[in-house]
This record gives sequence, structure tokens and C-alpha cells, in this order.
Amino acid sequence: GAVVSQHPSRVICKSGTSVKIECRSLDFQATTMFWYRQFPKKSLMLMATSNEGSKATYEQGVEKDKFLINHASLTLSTLTVTSAHPEDSSFYICSARGTGGLIYEQYFGPGTRLTVT
Amino acid sequence: AQSVTQLDSHVSVSEGTPVLLRCNYSSSYSPSLFWYVQHPNKGLQLLLKYTSAATLVKGINGFEAEFKKSETSFHLTKPSAHMSDAAEYFCVVSVMDSNYQLIWGAGTKLIIKP
Repeated sequence: GAVVSQHPSRVICKSGTSVKIECRSLDFQATTMFWYRQFPKKSLMLMATSNEGSKATYEQGVEKDKFLINHASLTLSTLTVTSAHPEDSSFYICSARGTGGLIYEQYFGPGTRLTVT
Repeated sequence: AQSVTQLDSHVSVSEGTPVLLRCNYSSSYSPSLFWYVQHPNKGLQLLLKYTSAATLVKGINGFEAEFKKSETSFHLTKPSAHMSDAAEYFCVVSVMDSNYQLIWGAGTKLIIKP
């Protein structure tokens, strides 16, 4: 149980275009989802926390107008990178937290490799 | 404030020898602690977790970790390294006072020599 999927796994886009990444909890309801960014050979950096039905909370230094997060249902959150630039190229990972029980545990998606050319 | 320190950025061991990856944490509250592994260009996999039960935690692939409150440590060990263990390992803490956000260590790259 507790499986989280991400789509796409890899995406290449041109500079100036927008890219949407989906994060789904497949077998549980996730009231809270998290979006992370991982630079090469680095640890994960939390970008934002999204709660179902409300606005996401962004970490300091993360542009909310550039990284649009929508958490419209208990099983789906999306991250849209708007007007992407090469510096946005990175590995984006989502995680989900369930509605009960293990509030301290997050379940991670496999990640999405974004390359902006 | 809570923090996680992984004391070694790289650890290199020979195949068949023991593995020790060190992790120290700082937390005002009783933490939950995790070790994750990430193989090259792959997602994260949970190795094991400590959540205030037994202090010696056994995980997958022969790994285990011991929670030592007096030393604020949660070191990861394995008796005998395999080539397939080569990966990046992250020590992570979750604490109540941060709304259970995960605080990540910088990671330790485990290199296995044949």
C-alpha cells in the first residue's frame, strides 16, 4: 500500500514553455502533499506544502507564480512550472501524507526529471 | 530548531565488509527518524524508520539503525556490503513542532569497492 505515482517521469521542454507534473496517491487519500526539488548530487529541498482544497504554502525563496501548485482532490496534486528556463532543469519529487495514522510519514513518488533546453 | 547532520559526504568500503553511515540529529521533541536510499537516477526508497518503539530498527536489505537518545544519533549499519548497496543515503527527521515536515540530511554517498 501507500503508492505514489508521478507523471511524466521525464520531460524535455523548450525555454519559455510551461510544464505540468502530476502526483497521485494510488491507494490512499492524501490530505497533504509535498513538492521537493533535488539538484544534482544534492539533498532534497522542500518547495511547497499543499493541502487539499486550499492554497499551497511555499518555502522561502520559492516563486509561487512560477511554480503553480494545485491540490484539487485527495489523490491528485499538480505542479506547473511556468515559463520554464534552463535553470529550472532539475529532479522534482512529490510525496504524500495520509489522512490518519502515520502523520509523520511521507510516501514518495519516483520523481520527474525536467530538462529545459 | 531541528536539524540533521550526516557526518560523511562519502563512505567507501570493500564488498563484504561492514558499512557504517553516521547521522546525528537535533530536536526539541521526540523525533521520528528515517533512512532513505536513492540509487542513481532513481526515486527514494525507505530503508527503515524509528517511531519511538524499539531503539534498534531493522530495515530492508540487511540494514539496521540504532536510536541513541543520549548521543542524539541514528547511525545506519550493515554487516556485509554488496555492490548493489552503492547509492546515496539520506537521514531524515520528522518532528511535531515543524508540523511533521521532513528535515533532510545532506546525504552520504556509499561507494563499494570490489
